[in-house]
Amino acid sequence: KAGVTQTPRYLIKTRGQQVTLSCSPISGHRSVSWYQQTPGQGLQFLFEYFSETQRNKGNFPGRFSGRQFSNSRSEMNVSTLELGDSALYLCASSLLGQGNFVQGGELFFGEGSRLTVL
Amino acid sequence: AQSVTQLGSHVSVSEGALVLLRCNYSSSVPPYLFWYVQYPNQGLQLLLKYTTGATLVKGINGFEAEFKKSETSFHLTKPSAHMSDAAEYFCAVSEGWGGSYIPTFGRGTSLIVHP
Repeated sequence: KAGVTQTPRYLIKTRGQQVTLSCSPISGHRSVSWYQQTPGQGLQFLFEYFSETQRNKGNFPGRFSGRQFSNSRSEMNVSTLELGDSALYLCASSLLGQGNFVQGGELFFGEGSRLTVL
Repeated sequence: AQSVTQLGSHVSVSEGALVLLRCNYSSSVPPYLFWYVQYPNQGLQLLLKYTTGATLVKGINGFEAEFKKSETSFHLTKPSAHMSDAAEYFCAVSEGWGGSYIPTFGRGTSLIVHP
């Protein structure tokens, strides 16, 4: 079974630009979560989508947004980039909310998209 | 609200020595607990998890962890470290039914293995 795929793996942007990151979950997983990972803050939860609906949202400004398509693929967008947005953005898929909570909500992560803002 | 504390941002051991990575959590409902490992330039991979039942949990690569409710701890151990164990390790907690099922992660512990 193919794993979680994130594109692009690396990208460089300048302040003020916007960026879109893509995530394809494991087949059959309808929950997709996004995390921001930085050396200073660790792993911070951005949002979670399930069946095209945002179910949970972390404490990030409105510049960070996302969406999920009918095939469960997800995108996240960051507008008006700031230097502090430089980070590894991780996508994770899971069976959360699909009657399998006995599995404890294990997350399956992609390799991430490393964003550098200059 | 749930939270996780990992004691020690860096742990250094010699090859063949015992590995002990500490994790304490807080949760308002019975927790689900996880350890993930992250190798350089990769995403996180599940090592092991505790949901219900046996409190001693065995995972991949010879790692195990014990859920101690009275101590609110879920420390990760491995009897003998290998060079390939050098990585970043993250403890996470989610609350399951009645709480937030979105996992909260600790800040991570970097494991350094010396030859």
